[in-house]
Amino acid sequence: QVQLQESGPGLVKPPETLSLTCTVSGYSISSGYYWGWIRQPPGKGLEWIGSIYHSGSTYYNPSLKSRVTISVDTSKNQFSLKLNFVTAADTAVYYCASVAYCSSTSCYYSDYWGQGTLVTVSS
Amino acid sequence: DIQMTQSPSTLSASVGDRVTITCRASQSISRWLAWYQQKPGTAPKLLIYEASSLHNGVPSRFSGSGSGTEFTLTISSLQPDDFATYYCQQYNSYSTFGQGTKLEIK
Repeated sequence: QVQLQESGPGLVKPPETLSLTCTVSGYSISSGYYWGWIRQPPGKGLEWIGSIYHSGSTYYNPSLKSRVTISVDTSKNQFSLKLNFVTAADTAVYYCASVAYCSSTSCYYSDYWGQGTLVTVSS
Repeated sequence: DIQMTQSPSTLSASVGDRVTITCRASQSISRWLAWYQQKPGTAPKLLIYEASSLHNGVPSRFSGSGSGTEFTLTISSLQPDDFATYYCQQYNSYSTFGQGTKLEIK
């Protein structure tokens, strides 16, 4: 059973960097899945942030690409998100998830999700 | 980028009803579409992928159809556990979600 758990600060000041880590258990991060981050502002819909493969290949939402870095640590079975220069608009529940596959131009659906972590951006 | 528009935004129905939710893409996405169910305070759950393939463990009362720019999610006989918000996701070009359809008890 694949399980994911997000961790990181719940409050970030603008224009600092939001940093989150996702720990995967019950499955090797170096196996078949890709891994991704999705966020959901309070009361709103879902937004794909980006994804990564265990090789380090990354895939980013073009609208966030200039501020996002996703990395992987296979030795810890973790992957991480950094979002620079945050504003109040980045306040959201951040989910990590498995991703079935990514090509050069798209990332597929997610069948395993973490419980989500609320990150508030406020001074 | 590809925009996904769901209708209706809110749907009121009763247990036992057959309901359909529509998702329209701003350009053709072939069959690269997934559907999720989300309940308050929890992560989305995958229901359907590639427009009509039922994810493991999802009840057969859920079904998906469509291709190109128009897609539907149908629940054949609503159960109490089905009242939730439903999202579509295209993955033909990057990945974008619809705005959601809230399914309420009538």
